[in-house]
Amino acid sequence: QSALTQPASVSGSPGQSITISCTGTSSDVGGHNYVSWYQQHPGKAPKLMIYDVSNRPSGVSDRFSGSKSGNTASLTISGLQAEDEADYYCYSYSSISTRLFGTGTKVTVL
Amino acid sequence: EVQLVESGGGLVQPGGSLRLSCVVSEFTFSSYWMHWVRQAPGKGLVWVSRINTDGSSIAYADSVKGRFTMSRDNAKNTLYLQMNSLTAEDTAVYYCARSASGGIYLDYWGQGTLVTVSS
Repeated sequence: QSALTQPASVSGSPGQSITISCTGTSSDVGGHNYVSWYQQHPGKAPKLMIYDVSNRPSGVSDRFSGSKSGNTASLTISGLQAEDEADYYCYSYSSISTRLFGTGTKVTVL
Repeated sequence: EVQLVESGGGLVQPGGSLRLSCVVSEFTFSSYWMHWVRQAPGKGLVWVSRINTDGSSIAYADSVKGRFTMSRDNAKNTLYLQMNSLTAEDTAVYYCARSASGGIYLDYWGQGTLVTVSS
């Protein structure tokens, strides 16, 4: 497997909640709790938003939350704001490929 | 403030070589695993390679295995990526990133350096 599967785009209105999925296999997402999520604005470096499935680094808004069920991890953004418009990537340890990123999801705030 | 600063990118012809550097500061470099991640123009993030704290264990993505060599100099707080036999598919912004202590996730990233492979 070369990449974890994410939806290409997700959109929502300000104040709404959206969820981004990240689907892998039992060799990566489903095999452990080493899934993290990154936010990337255009022309900028990625920023860590969630680590180890559901933990938030200091300074990241509590509007961001993570979860996992089986081979699929999810990132939920609640109370969507204009500044959340960005690309989001999941990332996982893989027993086969060492490390894998997701295909990326563009979040649009309508 | 933790900083990672990449350099060494530029324009190189197909089949050529380039060496990227990543100088870090404000943390104990020798205590952290490090990674290279790349992003082709308009495309997603792709993990390239990782190195453990003393350089004794290195892993690569299949796409670069045998062509790229990752290394580190803990005395100079510097991470390297030697890239050989470059092709157009290697054109990308290359980021260095730190693995959080004891973790798999990447908690700090550099600003990236652009590598363009073209004749």
